[in-house]
Amino acid sequence: EAGVAQSPRYKIIEKRQSVAFWCNPISGHATLYWYQQILGQGPKLLIQFQNNGVVDDSQLPKDRFSAERLKGVDSTLKIQPAKLEDSAVYLCASGVNIGTYEQYFGPGTRLTVT
Amino acid sequence: EDQVTQSPEALRLQEGESSSLNCSYTVSGLRGLFWYRQDPGKGPEFLFTLYSAGEEKEKERLKATLTKKESFLHITAPKPEDSATYLCAVQAGNTDKLIFGTGTRLQVFP
Repeated sequence: EAGVAQSPRYKIIEKRQSVAFWCNPISGHATLYWYQQILGQGPKLLIQFQNNGVVDDSQLPKDRFSAERLKGVDSTLKIQPAKLEDSAVYLCASGVNIGTYEQYFGPGTRLTVT
Repeated sequence: EDQVTQSPEALRLQEGESSSLNCSYTVSGLRGLFWYRQDPGKGPEFLFTLYSAGEEKEKERLKATLTKKESFLHITAPKPEDSATYLCAVQAGNTDKLIFGTGTRLQVFP
């Protein structure tokens, strides 16, 4: 079974530029999550989708971050404009459904903002 | 506020030297406690889910246990390939989000 795919794996941008990340979840998984992992910390949830609807975006900095999951499969996360403190690994995860199910993570995209 | 604390931050073991990692939590309405392994440059890899106090799960050299306040990840006779960061996360209340601790970085030397 193919895992969660993410691209790009690495991205370096200057502050105030914009960037987008892409995620393809495990086939058949209804829920999709974006987490931010700052170096030395555990991942922190940014947004959760159930199919193509948003379930939880309470920790998403909506003035600069946006995400969508069109057609309930792939998802993109965008940052515009980026700040230095956005430097982190952005992890995408997927799960079978809403509830207490394990979440399966992709390899992440390492973003460096200079 | 829901909180997860892991200790120690780092652990160095000789191959074959058994030990335990601790995850203590303060949450309202625990629904599940998850253990993940994370290798450098990779995403977290799912290991276990524990749902209620007294529950135990095993996988190869790893055994996870859960009480009402904490969880332990016991590593028996570790090998160098067990070297990784081990993350603990909880799911609580009416949200699906995982609240992670900062992890324990384990190094096993031959």
